[in-house]
Amino acid sequence: EVRLVASGGGLVQPGGSLRLSCVVSGVTFIDYAMSWVRQTPGKGLEWVSGISGTGGITYYAESVKGRCTITRDDSTNTLRMQLSSLRAGDTAIYYCVRLSGMDLPMANFENWGQGILVAVSS
Amino acid sequence: SYVLTQPPSVSVAPEKTARMTCEGNNIGTKYVHWYQQKPGQAPVVVIYYNNDRPSGIPERFSASNSGNTATLTISGVEAGDEADYFCQVWSSADAAWVFGGGTKLTVL
Repeated sequence: EVRLVASGGGLVQPGGSLRLSCVVSGVTFIDYAMSWVRQTPGKGLEWVSGISGTGGITYYAESVKGRCTITRDDSTNTLRMQLSSLRAGDTAIYYCVRLSGMDLPMANFENWGQGILVAVSS
Repeated sequence: SYVLTQPPSVSVAPEKTARMTCEGNNIGTKYVHWYQQKPGQAPVVVIYYNNDRPSGIPERFSASNSGNTATLTISGVEAGDEADYFCQVWSSADAAWVFGGGTKLTVL
């Protein structure tokens, strides 16, 4: 069974930063691209960032470009995302996602974690 | 940037056929994936690469993609199909994944 367990959410002050982590089990982690997707409660899905299976290629949504860094540690099967200069619009449930292949453009979002809430507020 | 447009809601009676559209410029040239999200749960892929079904997804789920419109079809709709459905494509021009705004399927 594939499991994605995210951590690191919570209440963050505007202008602050957060680091989300996601530990993946049940699959050969290095074989798959990974991504973060967020969802404002009651609203739609917004893709945030992605990283290839090799870790050599990263992609970011325009809304977070320049303040977001996605990384992976294949030795611990861990995906991470650092997001800085936080604002109210970053408040959302963040999902860790395993893609169906090694390359982002060629894969679908096959397994989703449970979601973790990030609230940006003073 | 690339935009996908979905109707906010679709209603259908049980055992009837539900069709949910996803419009985008020349979407027929892209692979479209569809996700189902039930309240309080993470999304689940129901169709990938235009019309492939993951194991465990009933044959009642199918899709098509041509021109500027992709369509998810659920035949013999059941109460358990009530959920939000999102379409998704990769925009090579934007180097980004794009989701539609989602359609809420209500089973009457």
